[in-house]
Amino acid sequence: LAKTTQPISMDSYEGQEVNITCSHNNIATNDYITWYQQFPSQGPRFIIQGYKTKVTNEVASLFIPADRKSSTLSLPRVSLSDTAVYYCLVGRNTDKLIFGTGTRLQVFP
Amino acid sequence: DTAVSQTPKYLVTQMGNDKSIKCEQNLGHDTMYWYKQDSKKFLKIMFSYNNKELIINETVPNRFSPKSPDKAHLNLHINSLELGDSAVYFCASSQGRESLREQYFGPGTRLTVT
Repeated sequence: LAKTTQPISMDSYEGQEVNITCSHNNIATNDYITWYQQFPSQGPRFIIQGYKTKVTNEVASLFIPADRKSSTLSLPRVSLSDTAVYYCLVGRNTDKLIFGTGTRLQVFP
Repeated sequence: DTAVSQTPKYLVTQMGNDKSIKCEQNLGHDTMYWYKQDSKKFLKIMFSYNNKELIINETVPNRFSPKSPDKAHLNLHINSLELGDSAVYFCASSQGRESLREQYFGPGTRLTVT
């Protein structure tokens, strides 16, 4: 997997849009960008995956610029239940997979 | 219905013992995984099984032995437990070999070795 860099923590308030950016300068041509969410005492949960441009599902949007050296996970109108750790993974398969420290998102009322 | 289940949820045991953790998935997936999340919260892949065949073994000590009796089950047996084995172990499954996409994780088993 490619090395990724994302903020250690972020704070937000309910109802706001949250954007978490992940840098991955050495992304390979065949690599996908995948985001997972983990609540305390639970296993990670898949959020979204993309290769280029923009991907949107019922939970989030993923924006990927043309050079693919970074990506932004966008969570619209967060609620308290979105408080979790968010992991950015860049690669094609699970070979040597390690979820890093992720971004700890704290949502306040 | 729970998609990926693990038993037990908590396991406390002494050094040197042998223990097993069981995992079952009812999603019809063909690939299952074991992960270890240590005290620093890094989640690392340990094993991956596709159609009952081991396809990843990431420098895990041979005291750890996965067993897959069928596509829906992947158990983890640990011999001669050590203090450093204390961690949360997660089972996961997906459709497709070694896929980063849509892995479904179980609730985890917190193993404490004293």
